[in-house]
Amino acid sequence: EAEVAQSPRYKITEKSQAVAFWCDPISGHATLYWYRQILGQGPELLVQFQDESVVDDSQLPKDRFSAERLKGVDSTLKIQPAELGDSAMYLCASSREGDQPQHFGDGTRLSIL
Amino acid sequence: GEDVEQSLFLSVREGDSSVINCTYTDSSSTYLYWYKQEPGAGLQLLTYIFSNMDMKQDQRLTVLLNKKDKHLSLRIADTQTGDSAIYFCAEMRDYKLSFGAGTTVTVRA
Repeated sequence: EAEVAQSPRYKITEKSQAVAFWCDPISGHATLYWYRQILGQGPELLVQFQDESVVDDSQLPKDRFSAERLKGVDSTLKIQPAELGDSAMYLCASSREGDQPQHFGDGTRLSIL
Repeated sequence: GEDVEQSLFLSVREGDSSVINCTYTDSSSTYLYWYKQEPGAGLQLLTYIFSNMDMKQDQRLTVLLNKKDKHLSLRIADTQTGDSAIYFCAEMRDYKLSFGAGTTVTVRA
């Protein structure tokens, strides 16, 4: 079964540094999502793409976070500068369209020292 | 806070049935989902139900939806050790998923 690919699996960095996460959705999935999951909580949506366009980034801290999906396929989420409170699991998901079931990758576990 | 509420923990004996409950707040939600998360992994889609259905069965999984009370449940028959995980309920409204905090299910021998 096709999967959502994410890298790296783990990232440890110091505060004030820049970090980047990569996601490759299931082939043919037009909608891509980035979520943040804090330990002990459910995932919270950061940004949603439809093809290459952002359709919802209302919960994305735009002073330090950015996301792009230039060719409408894979996507990158960046944090600069990282803060201690950014330590979390960052999950990518994709769906055929916005109203279809979402399939998740294994996530990137970020630890900020 | 989250609009979707779940109990935090459930302990069940191997071979018994598990029932995980969830309440949601938006009666206009179109789909309701159950996801499973194992340690260090992403979320695995288990099953989902359309809001005009009352029940859906898929092998060992049975989903019940009470739309009047905005209550969703997931029953796992013949619970196995591999079912130990965190289970998330999620509602879809306006093409966005809102998750509960998850129920940690522990299966004991």
